[in-house]
Amino acid sequence: DARVTQTPRHKVTEMGQEVTMRCQPILGHNTVFWYRQTMMQGLELLAYFRNRAPLDDSGMPKDRFSAEMPDATLATLKIQPSEPRDSAVYFCASGPGLAGGPSTDTQYFGPGTRLTVL
Amino acid sequence: AQSVTQLGSHVSVSEGALVLLRCNYSSSVPPYLFWYVQYPNQGLQLLLKYTSAATLVKGINGFEAEFKKSETSFHLTKPSAHMSDAAEYFCAVSSNTGNQFYFGTGTSLTVIP
Repeated sequence: DARVTQTPRHKVTEMGQEVTMRCQPILGHNTVFWYRQTMMQGLELLAYFRNRAPLDDSGMPKDRFSAEMPDATLATLKIQPSEPRDSAVYFCASGPGLAGGPSTDTQYFGPGTRLTVL
Repeated sequence: AQSVTQLGSHVSVSEGALVLLRCNYSSSVPPYLFWYVQYPNQGLQLLLKYTSAATLVKGINGFEAEFKKSETSFHLTKPSAHMSDAAEYFCAVSSNTGNQFYFGTGTSLTVIP
Protein backbone atom coordinates (compact mmCIF):
# COMPACT_ATOMS: atom_id res chain seq x y z
CA ASP A 1 0.00 0.00 0.00
CA ALA A 2 2.02 2.95 -1.31
CA ARG A 3 1.65 6.16 0.64
CA VAL A 4 3.38 9.44 1.30
CA THR A 5 5.26 9.53 4.57
CA GLN A 6 6.14 12.60 6.57
CA THR A 7 8.43 13.07 9.53
CA PRO A 8 8.17 14.18 12.21
CA ARG A 9 4.42 13.93 12.79
CA HIS A 10 4.59 16.48 15.58
CA LYS A 11 7.16 19.13 16.33
CA VAL A 12 7.24 21.65 19.15
CA THR A 13 10.01 24.20 19.06
CA GLU A 14 10.88 27.61 20.31
CA MET A 15 10.86 30.78 18.29
CA GLY A 16 14.09 31.29 16.41
CA GLN A 17 14.93 27.62 16.07
CA GLU A 18 15.41 25.88 12.76
CA VAL A 19 12.78 23.35 11.75
CA THR A 20 13.17 20.72 9.05
CA MET A 21 10.26 18.65 7.83
CA ARG A 22 10.77 15.65 5.61
CA CYS A 23 8.61 13.93 3.06
CA GLN A 24 9.02 10.69 1.19
CA PRO A 25 6.82 10.71 -1.92
CA ILE A 26 5.25 7.62 -3.36
CA LEU A 27 7.83 5.70 -5.35
CA GLY A 28 7.61 6.64 -9.01
CA HIS A 29 5.80 9.92 -8.45
CA ASN A 30 7.58 12.88 -10.00
CA THR A 31 5.63 15.81 -8.57
CA VAL A 32 5.79 16.89 -4.96
CA PHE A 33 3.71 19.58 -3.29
CA TRP A 34 4.05 21.34 0.06
CA TYR A 35 0.96 22.81 1.73
CA ARG A 36 0.31 24.62 4.98
CA GLN A 37 -3.03 24.33 6.75
CA THR A 38 -4.24 26.72 9.43
CA MET A 39 -7.67 27.53 10.79
CA MET A 40 -7.40 31.10 9.60
CA GLN A 41 -5.95 30.62 6.12
CA GLY A 42 -7.08 27.13 5.25
CA LEU A 43 -4.89 25.21 2.83
CA GLU A 44 -2.15 27.16 1.14
CA LEU A 45 0.15 25.83 -1.56
CA LEU A 46 3.69 26.73 -0.58
CA ALA A 47 5.73 25.13 -3.33
CA TYR A 48 5.88 22.32 -5.75
CA PHE A 49 8.44 20.32 -7.64
CA ARG A 50 8.46 18.35 -10.85
CA ASN A 51 11.27 15.88 -11.43
CA ARG A 52 13.01 17.38 -8.39
CA ALA A 53 13.08 20.87 -9.90
CA PRO A 54 11.11 23.63 -8.19
CA LEU A 55 8.33 24.76 -10.52
CA ASP A 56 6.58 27.21 -8.27
CA ASP A 57 7.36 28.48 -4.81
CA SER A 58 5.46 31.74 -4.99
CA GLY A 59 3.36 30.79 -1.99
CA MET A 60 6.34 30.43 0.27
CA PRO A 61 7.83 33.22 2.40
CA LYS A 62 11.29 33.39 0.87
CA ASP A 63 13.07 34.99 3.75
CA ARG A 64 12.70 32.07 6.11
CA PHE A 65 11.34 29.11 4.19
CA SER A 66 13.21 26.87 1.80
CA ALA A 67 12.19 23.69 0.01
CA GLU A 68 14.45 21.18 -1.69
CA MET A 69 14.48 17.72 -3.17
CA PRO A 70 17.93 16.26 -2.59
CA ASP A 71 16.85 13.12 -4.42
CA ALA A 72 13.71 11.55 -5.86
CA THR A 73 12.83 9.90 -2.56
CA LEU A 74 13.16 12.89 -0.25
CA ALA A 75 11.68 16.37 -0.12
CA THR A 76 12.46 18.80 2.67
CA LEU A 77 10.85 21.98 3.93
CA LYS A 78 12.96 24.10 6.21
CA ILE A 79 12.06 27.11 8.30
CA GLN A 80 14.86 29.21 9.70
CA PRO A 81 14.27 31.04 11.97
CA SER A 82 10.84 29.79 13.01
CA GLU A 83 8.17 32.13 14.35
CA PRO A 84 4.94 31.50 16.26
CA ARG A 85 2.91 32.42 13.17
CA ASP A 86 4.45 29.41 11.42
CA SER A 87 2.46 27.10 13.69
CA ALA A 88 0.35 24.98 11.37
CA VAL A 89 0.00 21.54 9.87
CA TYR A 90 2.32 21.09 6.92
CA PHE A 91 1.27 18.58 4.31
CA CYS A 92 3.32 17.02 1.60
CA ALA A 93 1.62 15.48 -1.40
CA SER A 94 2.95 13.64 -4.40
CA GLY A 95 1.54 13.01 -7.84
CA PRO A 96 2.31 10.63 -10.69
CA GLY A 97 2.86 13.45 -13.15
CA LEU A 98 0.64 12.02 -15.86
CA ALA A 99 0.05 13.67 -19.21
CA GLY A 100 -1.89 16.88 -18.87
CA GLY A 101 0.53 18.44 -16.53
CA PRO A 102 0.67 18.92 -12.81
CA SER A 103 -2.60 20.83 -12.76
CA THR A 104 -4.56 17.69 -13.45
CA ASP A 105 -2.53 15.44 -11.22
CA THR A 106 -4.23 13.54 -8.48
CA GLN A 107 -2.38 14.46 -5.33
CA TYR A 108 -1.71 11.87 -2.66
CA PHE A 109 -1.33 13.51 0.69
CA GLY A 110 0.82 12.51 3.60
CA PRO A 111 -0.50 12.60 7.18
CA GLY A 112 1.09 15.99 7.85
CA THR A 113 3.52 17.47 10.34
CA ARG A 114 1.90 19.46 13.13
CA LEU A 115 4.28 22.27 13.98
CA THR A 116 3.96 24.38 17.11
CA VAL A 117 6.33 27.29 17.56
CA LEU A 118 6.31 28.73 21.07
CA ALA B 1 -6.68 33.79 -11.90
CA GLN B 2 -8.68 31.11 -10.24
CA SER B 3 -10.51 30.93 -6.96
CA VAL B 4 -12.97 28.71 -5.19
CA THR B 5 -15.84 29.50 -2.86
CA GLN B 6 -17.45 26.89 -0.69
CA LEU B 7 -20.79 28.01 0.64
CA GLY B 8 -21.42 26.83 4.16
CA SER B 9 -18.52 26.03 6.42
CA HIS B 10 -20.68 23.53 8.33
CA VAL B 11 -23.35 21.24 6.97
CA SER B 12 -25.38 18.76 9.02
CA VAL B 13 -27.49 16.01 7.52
CA SER B 14 -29.32 13.05 8.94
CA GLU B 15 -28.06 9.58 8.20
CA GLY B 16 -29.65 8.44 4.96
CA ALA B 17 -30.40 11.96 3.76
CA LEU B 18 -29.04 13.67 0.68
CA VAL B 19 -25.64 15.30 0.99
CA LEU B 20 -25.11 18.51 -0.97
CA LEU B 21 -21.90 20.48 -0.58
CA ARG B 22 -21.60 23.60 -2.68
CA CYS B 23 -18.62 24.85 -4.61
CA ASN B 24 -18.43 27.77 -7.00
CA TYR B 25 -15.34 28.69 -8.90
CA SER B 26 -13.99 31.56 -10.88
CA SER B 27 -11.52 31.00 -13.64
CA SER B 28 -10.50 32.91 -16.70
CA VAL B 29 -9.59 29.70 -18.49
CA PRO B 30 -11.17 26.25 -18.58
CA PRO B 31 -10.77 24.91 -15.09
CA TYR B 32 -9.91 21.60 -13.63
CA LEU B 33 -11.90 20.92 -10.49
CA PHE B 34 -11.39 18.57 -7.60
CA TRP B 35 -13.09 17.45 -4.42
CA TYR B 36 -10.94 16.16 -1.59
CA VAL B 37 -11.97 14.75 1.78
CA GLN B 38 -10.04 15.05 5.01
CA TYR B 39 -10.77 12.79 7.95
CA PRO B 40 -9.63 13.90 11.41
CA ASN B 41 -5.87 13.98 11.84
CA GLN B 42 -5.26 12.73 8.33
CA GLY B 43 -4.16 14.13 5.01
CA LEU B 44 -6.51 14.84 2.15
CA GLN B 45 -7.81 12.14 -0.14
CA LEU B 46 -9.14 12.67 -3.64
CA LEU B 47 -12.86 12.00 -4.03
CA LEU B 48 -13.19 12.95 -7.69
CA LYS B 49 -11.94 15.33 -10.33
CA TYR B 50 -13.20 17.04 -13.46
CA THR B 51 -10.70 17.52 -16.26
CA SER B 52 -12.91 18.57 -19.19
CA ALA B 53 -14.36 15.18 -20.00
CA ALA B 54 -17.85 14.19 -18.85
CA THR B 55 -19.57 16.92 -16.86
CA LEU B 56 -20.99 14.44 -14.35
CA VAL B 57 -18.12 12.93 -12.44
CA LYS B 58 -18.45 9.91 -10.21
CA GLY B 59 -16.04 9.44 -7.37
CA ILE B 60 -15.35 7.11 -4.52
CA ASN B 61 -17.69 6.29 -1.65
CA GLY B 62 -20.80 7.05 -3.70
CA PHE B 63 -20.05 10.73 -4.24
CA GLU B 64 -20.52 12.55 -7.51
CA ALA B 65 -20.26 16.11 -8.75
CA GLU B 66 -21.56 17.93 -11.79
CA PHE B 67 -19.66 20.63 -13.62
CA LYS B 68 -22.04 23.40 -14.66
CA LYS B 69 -20.26 26.03 -16.67
CA SER B 70 -23.28 28.34 -16.84
CA GLU B 71 -23.47 28.41 -13.06
CA THR B 72 -19.70 28.16 -12.48
CA SER B 73 -20.45 25.43 -10.00
CA PHE B 74 -19.15 22.01 -9.08
CA HIS B 75 -21.38 20.85 -6.25
CA LEU B 76 -20.73 17.55 -4.52
CA THR B 77 -23.62 15.20 -3.82
CA LYS B 78 -24.33 11.82 -2.34
CA PRO B 79 -27.84 10.37 -2.32
CA SER B 80 -27.67 8.85 1.15
CA ALA B 81 -25.35 9.99 3.91
CA HIS B 82 -23.51 7.48 6.02
CA MET B 83 -21.97 8.08 9.42
CA SER B 84 -18.55 7.45 7.94
CA ASP B 85 -18.99 10.46 5.62
CA ALA B 86 -18.45 12.85 8.52
CA ALA B 87 -15.31 14.76 7.55
CA GLU B 88 -14.00 18.01 6.08
CA TYR B 89 -14.52 18.43 2.34
CA PHE B 90 -12.44 20.68 0.14
CA CYS B 91 -13.12 21.90 -3.36
CA ALA B 92 -10.08 22.90 -5.43
CA VAL B 93 -9.47 24.46 -8.82
CA SER B 94 -6.50 24.58 -11.14
CA SER B 95 -6.00 25.23 -14.81
CA ASN B 96 -3.87 23.79 -17.55
CA THR B 97 -2.27 27.18 -18.14
CA GLY B 98 -0.74 27.54 -14.73
CA ASN B 99 0.84 25.66 -11.91
CA GLN B 100 -1.34 26.96 -9.14
CA PHE B 101 -3.93 25.12 -7.12
CA TYR B 102 -6.49 26.87 -5.02
CA PHE B 103 -8.40 25.10 -2.31
CA GLY B 104 -11.63 26.35 -0.84
CA THR B 105 -11.94 26.96 2.86
CA GLY B 106 -13.60 23.63 3.42
CA THR B 107 -17.00 22.39 4.54
CA SER B 108 -17.32 20.31 7.66
CA LEU B 109 -19.97 17.63 7.24
CA THR B 110 -21.72 16.23 10.29
CA VAL B 111 -23.95 13.20 9.95
CA ILE B 112 -26.65 12.88 12.59
CA PRO B 113 -27.76 9.36 13.53
